Amino acid sequence: GAVVSQHPSRVICKSGTSVKIECRSLDFQATTMFWYRQFPKQSLMLMATSNEGSKATYEQGVEKDKFLINHASLTLSTLTVTSAHPEDSSFYICSAPRGQGWETQYFGPGTRLLVL
Amino acid sequence: GENVEQHPSTLSVQEGDSAVIKCTYSDSASNYFPWYKQELGKRPQLIIDIRSNVGEKKDQRIAVTLNKTAKHFSLHITETQPEDSAVYFCAATLSGSARQLTFGSGTQLTVLP
Repeated sequence: GAVVSQHPSRVICKSGTSVKIECRSLDFQATTMFWYRQFPKQSLMLMATSNEGSKATYEQGVEKDKFLINHASLTLSTLTVTSAHPEDSSFYICSAPRGQGWETQYFGPGTRLLVL
Repeated sequence: GENVEQHPSTLSVQEGDSAVIKCTYSDSASNYFPWYKQELGKRPQLIIDIRSNVGEKKDQRIAVTLNKTAKHFSLHITETQPEDSAVYFCAATLSGSARQLTFGSGTQLTVLP
């Protein structure tokens, strides 16, 4: 069964509003989680690494003030898209590493964001 | 940092035929190479992985081969079925440090009935 959940699965919002997406590890602790963005027919692009108890690490070109990440507990990371605009419309997916060596990534089901 | 290239971008095969997808990576330190299958609008699902201490791994109809010297790894699907149609991503990372995966650009596989 799913080991990483994500909520909401789909959100439609008006331009200028903020949207919060939650990512939860269901039966294991995840000190690290990753946030990806995927545009249609493209690969997953890493946005940031979420670290429990410390600041997130953002990839080059990703605005940290626009994409706020909070890893408040060992099972929850949140991504807030602030002042969303139509160009932020995308599929946002989180993942958490688990298992020997922590290399196996388990993905959440994704959140489809549409900004009107 | 790591860079992963994947080919082809699209692949169509007849049902029952084999499909091969190839990837190359740039960072010789990478030692873990998973393959993910993603159906439209869904999460990527891990289908097979290989670590750098082995050259080949097989799981029923799917297999992965790794050539560390050439920094190549490939996914092989035999006896393809229509339900194998999806986008397949290869990835590379360094095990043991919860480092992020670097993904290839994806291959849209279509299995024609």
